[in-house]
Amino acid sequence: DAKTTQPNSMESNEEEPVHLPCNHSTISGTDYIHWYRQLPSQGPEYVIHGLTSNVNNRMASLAIAEDRKSSTLILHRATLRDAAVYYCIPPRYGKLTFGQGTILTVHP
Amino acid sequence: GAVVSQHPSRVICKSGTSVKIECRSLDFQATTMFWYRQFPKQSLMLMATSNEGSKATYEQGVEKDKFLINHASLTLSTLTVTSAHPEDSSFYICSARDWRYLYGYTFGSGTRLTVV
Repeated sequence: DAKTTQPNSMESNEEEPVHLPCNHSTISGTDYIHWYRQLPSQGPEYVIHGLTSNVNNRMASLAIAEDRKSSTLILHRATLRDAAVYYCIPPRYGKLTFGQGTILTVHP
Repeated sequence: GAVVSQHPSRVICKSGTSVKIECRSLDFQATTMFWYRQFPKQSLMLMATSNEGSKATYEQGVEKDKFLINHASLTLSTLTVTSAHPEDSSFYICSARDWRYLYGYTFGSGTRLTVV
């Protein structure tokens, strides 16, 4: 499985942009990069996914390095509701294997 | 978007009894569903992959006779925790993927199991 490395925690202020990094240096050429987030006592929520090009949706943007060894999830204006654990996962064999993720704290 | 419904959200059972958790894909067909377990302050651990019409595939270290999985239709998978013990108390979460691959994997809201 591709190993991912994320910071244990990050902090942000409300309405400021947040850049959540992820290293996935062993990713294969066909592995997509998925991002999910989990609020306390809830199931994870899909955020975004991509393969090579940068991706945007209503929740966030995903910037993928040209060599695909890293990616950055961008929340353009953090809100208190964005406080969660964020997971970067390249699915392998159709399965999602969760690492420890990044705990994002958003300050009012 | 794709929606996965998980029921019950919370259950308390006595030690030695069995508990069934249901996972339904509401607006899409899911030939494959996944079951996870999460202990407090830990990440999700994949337990098994549930395949419609065939046997589930269990991850290493997961007791298949204890965690029975049935995926009888394209929209329903069930996890039965048999002869539950206090150490089985955990947060169980199911997941499925829309075959159209539009939204990634969708997760249920989870089931908090407490065995007393």
